[in-house]
Amino acid sequence: AQTVTQSQPEMSVQEAETVTLSCTYDTSENNYYLFWYKQPPSRQMILVIRQEAYKQQNATENRFSVNFQKAAKSFSLKISDSQLGDTAMYFCALTQGGKLIFGQGTELSVKP
Amino acid sequence: SAVISQKPSRDICQRGTSLTIQCQVDSQVTMMFWYRQQPGQSLTLIATANQGSEATYESGFVIDKFPISRPNLTFSTLTVSNMSPEDSSIYLCSVEEVPDAEAFFGQGTRLTVV
Repeated sequence: AQTVTQSQPEMSVQEAETVTLSCTYDTSENNYYLFWYKQPPSRQMILVIRQEAYKQQNATENRFSVNFQKAAKSFSLKISDSQLGDTAMYFCALTQGGKLIFGQGTELSVKP
Repeated sequence: SAVISQKPSRDICQRGTSLTIQCQVDSQVTMMFWYRQQPGQSLTLIATANQGSEATYESGFVIDKFPISRPNLTFSTLTVSNMSPEDSSIYLCSVEEVPDAEAFFGQGTRLTVV
């Protein structure tokens, strides 16, 4: 069975600093996709970043980057220059065949 | 990117009643997904709704409790039947224009059962 684990229920960071959110997963498949989604208090799920498992290069989207370690089944998210608007719940997710399997979530608070 | 309109955004219902949640997409999509997010929890897939066939339910979810309709490629409904307080959750619909690419979500329906 596929599983996604986020071991940090809560994290906080000072504005303008860098924070890393951890995620590990388990799958027996070789082709899959990994995602980080953000859910602010509005409840809207927003895609932060996406990584194809067959790509060795780590994905980057502006202030957001990942450290994808396929052998270790690790997929961490680094947020640089944290902003107050980054405050939200962050979910790591694995997909195969269209279905998303989510981790438990990490609640990130960015403090002024 | 797909735009999803989900209704209602919130509701408070009496136990024993049913609520139907609607999900409208601005483009044709093959697969639509329904998720449940219990208070303080992550999202769990309820079922996959395919046009022209019965929905495929995940373990722990049954059609009698969560009947789903998918009459066309842009619309789906999820009904929460015979509700109890344990059904109080956020329910979200989701679509993928391309399999395993970005999933787009509705704004969710916050259901409270009293």
